[in-house]
Amino acid sequence: GQQLNQSPQSMFIQEGEDVSMNCTSSSIFNTWLWYKQDPGEGPVLLIALYKAGELTSNGRLTAQFGITRKDSFLNISASIPSDVGIYFCAGHHTNDYNNDMRFGAGTRLTVKP
Amino acid sequence: GAGVSQSPRYKVAKRGQDVALRCDPISGHVSLFWYQQALGQGPEFLTYFQNEAQLDKSGLPSDRFFAERPEGSVSTLKIQRTQQEDSAVYLCASSPGPLDTQYFGPGTRLTVL
Repeated sequence: GQQLNQSPQSMFIQEGEDVSMNCTSSSIFNTWLWYKQDPGEGPVLLIALYKAGELTSNGRLTAQFGITRKDSFLNISASIPSDVGIYFCAGHHTNDYNNDMRFGAGTRLTVKP
Repeated sequence: GAGVSQSPRYKVAKRGQDVALRCDPISGHVSLFWYQQALGQGPEFLTYFQNEAQLDKSGLPSDRFFAERPEGSVSTLKIQRTQQEDSAVYLCASSPGPLDTQYFGPGTRLTVL
């Protein structure tokens, strides 16, 4: 099952508003990632975070890797209609024995023009 | 092609049938991953290949699930004696190396009747 707790589950906002979503875990991850998935497509990477405390921006998106390595948030500023979709956080854990990525359950974003 | 491709895009199977799902990764990508995504959930890790070697199959839900990548390129996920609970989207992802960004295919939606 899902090991990451992602919230909120869904958001309905007006175009131009800012959005914030976050993810927490009971496990430590080496890397935190944020993906967006459109209907009928696979997830597309938005931002990757590699160091605890790291704050990274990609256009209107900003994400942070929590100091404890157990949480992350994603902010979207000045939302536009094409931001509609499902956003997933993912924690990536690698060692000599496995290499797996755990996803949250997703935040469904609806943007009203 | 430029991205990860998967076929078929949609598959309907009667309970008890065997199915085979194909993944063509990005050319030259060493690492290949399979995920299962249930409706309304995030992807869940199934298995991981580095070249032709299956290094982690800890996410495969039962011994009815089998994956192979015999020449280190194309991979096939086989599900034997399908059950209704196998209905999901099966996503394939590839990356240049094990710690690199994973690029996802569009998925195969499997429906078991």
